[in-house]
Amino acid sequence: KQEVTQIPAALSVPEGENLVLNCSFTDSAIYNLQWFRQDPGKGLTSLLLIQSSQREQTSGRLNASLDKSSGRSTLYIAASQPGDSATYLCAGGGNTGTASKLTFGTGTRLQVTL
Amino acid sequence: NAGVTQTPKFRVLKTGQSMTLLCAQDMNHEYMYWYRQDPGMGLRLIHYSVGEGTTAKGEVPDGYNVSRLKKQNFLLGLESAAPSQTSVYFCASSQRGRGSISTDTQYFGPGTRLTVL
Repeated sequence: KQEVTQIPAALSVPEGENLVLNCSFTDSAIYNLQWFRQDPGKGLTSLLLIQSSQREQTSGRLNASLDKSSGRSTLYIAASQPGDSATYLCAGGGNTGTASKLTFGTGTRLQVTL
Repeated sequence: NAGVTQTPKFRVLKTGQSMTLLCAQDMNHEYMYWYRQDPGMGLRLIHYSVGEGTTAKGEVPDGYNVSRLKKQNFLLGLESAAPSQTSVYFCASSQRGRGSISTDTQYFGPGTRLTVL
């Protein structure tokens, strides 16, 4: 059974700092790895999706990497801004037939201070 | 495009009552999912559907039933609510389940906060 872990649970950084969020998973037969953002009281917004055949994906100031052999993914945020404050969730997609069933981590709560 | 919408946004039930949560998507997505989110446990998949008229169990299906009578709607039912079902429920959809970034990305609704007393 896939297990996804995110450490740390919370992180506070000053504005402008570059930062890395970590995600680890136990089953290397992962189909894809997705990163989401969740604002308080809101739903999840997809940030990046990396297919198992890929090593990284980039969108603006965000870069996500995937290393299946070590069971790790990272989300790099460049030049952090107060608007980046949110909870970031990673989820591993299982290779279980047609549906990409996601297993979620518990998230890293990020606060970017002025 | 409204994307994925959920009704109601909030609900309080008494133990033993029943209710149905409605999820609707206007993106013509084939796949739809129901998750629950609990503190310290992350999101867990309850049920999912790979197309109109089909449903399948996820990780935590007990106590819930689902129906997908129309492609754009996915209903989650609680027949006899229990306090353990107090949670935030999220619906999501994707174009298909696997194949490419554009088809696999899941889009989430805003959630339904359910309290069972």
